[in-house]
Amino acid sequence: AQSVAQPEDQVNVAEGNPLTVKCTYSVSGNPYLFWYVQYPNRGLQFLLKYITGDNLVKGSYGFEAEFNKSQTSFHLKKPSALVSDSALYFCAVRGSDRGSTLGRLYFGRGTQLTVWP
Amino acid sequence: NAGVMQNPRHLVRRRGQEARLRCSPMKGHSHVYWYRQLPEEGLKFMVYLQKENIIDESGMPKERFSAEFPKEGPSILRIQQVVRGDSAAYFCASSTGTQKGDTQYFGPGTRLTVL
Repeated sequence: AQSVAQPEDQVNVAEGNPLTVKCTYSVSGNPYLFWYVQYPNRGLQFLLKYITGDNLVKGSYGFEAEFNKSQTSFHLKKPSALVSDSALYFCAVRGSDRGSTLGRLYFGRGTQLTVWP
Repeated sequence: NAGVMQNPRHLVRRRGQEARLRCSPMKGHSHVYWYRQLPEEGLKFMVYLQKENIIDESGMPKERFSAEFPKEGPSILRIQQVVRGDSAAYFCASSTGTQKGDTQYFGPGTRLTVL
């Protein structure tokens, strides 16, 4: 069965410091991994994805994520946080084997990131 | 290129009424997905459609809920005889297909409140 865990409901970090939002997954076959961000009363905005290739993926707004197959993790990172990064972040996964339901994304519960000035 | 559009953005219904939520995918996208977000929870998959076809409705409640994506016009998620537990944000996403790496792009959502 496909699932995603975001172990931290909240992450607090001071502006200018590095940030990490954690995500681990369970999936059949090779994983397709995604990060989205949601601002209050808005839809989800796509940040980045891992399909194959280089384990370090770069995305929008200076965010990057590192795929670690042995630890089944896909943590979101940014070297220097901004107050405007404060939002709700979702990790999502889709499996790739024949048994997986193609198309459907499985989401974590989300991590609220707060960046203090 | 306009993004995914949903309307209405906010919908208030009384128990027992019908709710109709509309979604227009991004230009060039023929795959539509509906998700529901309950308070303090992540998004839960409901249904996946292509033009005139339901591909996967395994996340949809068996009763009162239906979805369609006609040849012309937007995708519609219909909830009949709404109950308070239907209150949630409903998000639509679209993509070009299900090839590996396809990204789903989300609309702004419809926030349904059942009184």
